[in-house]
Amino acid sequence: AQTVTQSQPEMSVQEAETVTLSCTYDTSESDYYLFWYKQPPSRQMILVIRQEAYKQQNATENRFSVNFQKAAKSFSLKISDSQLGDAAMYFCAYRIDTGTASKLTFGTGTRLQVTL
Amino acid sequence: DAGITQSPRYKITETGRQVTLMCHQTWSHSYMFWYRQDLGHGLRLIYYSAAADITDKGEVPDGYVVSRSKTENFPLTLESATRSQTSVYFCASSDRFTYQETQYFGPGTRLLVL
Repeated sequence: AQTVTQSQPEMSVQEAETVTLSCTYDTSESDYYLFWYKQPPSRQMILVIRQEAYKQQNATENRFSVNFQKAAKSFSLKISDSQLGDAAMYFCAYRIDTGTASKLTFGTGTRLQVTL
Repeated sequence: DAGITQSPRYKITETGRQVTLMCHQTWSHSYMFWYRQDLGHGLRLIYYSAAADITDKGEVPDGYVVSRSKTENFPLTLESATRSQTSVYFCASSDRFTYQETQYFGPGTRLLVL
């Protein structure tokens, strides 16, 4: 079974600083997608960034970037120039094609606090 | 507005009662999913649907029933609610069956079973 591990239950960063959230996963598949979702206090799950496993280049979305290490099965999220609005739970997720539907497997989340 | 909506947003019920959580999406996405979110578990898949009248079990289907008579709706029913089903429930949808497709989530329903 595929698993996703987020070893940091909570992280804190000062406004304007950079923070990295860790994620590791376990799979025997070669084709898959990785995602980071943000869940603010409103509880809405918002896609932050996605990475295709077949791409060596790390994905970037404005202040958000990933460090994808396929051999190490690691997928960390870097948030640059942190803002107060970045405070949220962040979930790493993994997705494969099962043939009939693509299923997301989530980690347990990292709560990010942003301080002044 | 287009998107994915869930109702009710909050629900309190008693053990043994039947509860139905509604999910509606306006994108005409083929795939729809139900997840539950519990502390320490992240989100876990309950059921999913590939199209109208096609549903399948996820990781934690016991105690739940789904149906999908129309593409845009995917209700989740707890036939006889138990306290262990107290959770936050998220509906999601995606356009195609390929794993490249992003899933978009609704705002969630908080369910408390007394």
